[in-house]
Amino acid sequence: DAGVIQSPRHEVTEMGQEVTLRCKPISGHNSLFWYRQTMMRGLELLIYFNNNVPIDDSGMPEDRFSAKMPNASFSTLKIQPSEPRDSAVYFCASSLLPEVHEQYFGPGTRLTVT
Amino acid sequence: RKEVEQDPGPFNVPEGATVAFNCTYSNSASQSFFWYRQDCRKEPKLLMSVYSSGNEDGRFTAQLNRASQYISLLIRDSKLSDSATYLCVVNIFSNTGFQKLVFGTGTRLLVSP
Repeated sequence: DAGVIQSPRHEVTEMGQEVTLRCKPISGHNSLFWYRQTMMRGLELLIYFNNNVPIDDSGMPEDRFSAKMPNASFSTLKIQPSEPRDSAVYFCASSLLPEVHEQYFGPGTRLTVT
Repeated sequence: RKEVEQDPGPFNVPEGATVAFNCTYSNSASQSFFWYRQDCRKEPKLLMSVYSSGNEDGRFTAQLNRASQYISLLIRDSKLSDSATYLCVVNIFSNTGFQKLVFGTGTRLLVSP
């Protein structure tokens, strides 16, 4: 079975550009999570969806970040405009609630904003 | 205070050694605890859950001390393949009533020949 799929795997962009990260969760999972990982702050939860509905977006840094989940098999995380401090690895994970501890992570998107 | 705190390491140990990591958490209402493993430039993966009574999975033993709010992971007979970052994870209820995971920043383990 396919795991969580993320694209692109690497993204290099210039400051001010729009960046869109994509995620396909594991089929049948009803929860989807977006995380950001940096050396300084570790793995931080940005937002999570349950049954395609955003449940907790308190981790979204600011208005430049937005996330959508139009259907059960697709989600996007958008940064507009991007800034150098957004450089990080962005992970998408999915799970079946209430077994939220068994989160399955995608391979991540390594974002570099110059 | 961070919700989950870990010693970042690195812990450098020879093959065959026993090594232990500790982790502390701040929310006394936390109910579920886990260790995830993350290899270099890879995604985190669930290693094991941590139960109040302690649990063992092969060379790995996890323990929970609720009174002191800390979690431990013991690795016996270390292998080269154990080299990775070990993330302490605590499941908490957010103010929305849903559960979410809070990850520590990880403890790096390097096992050498």
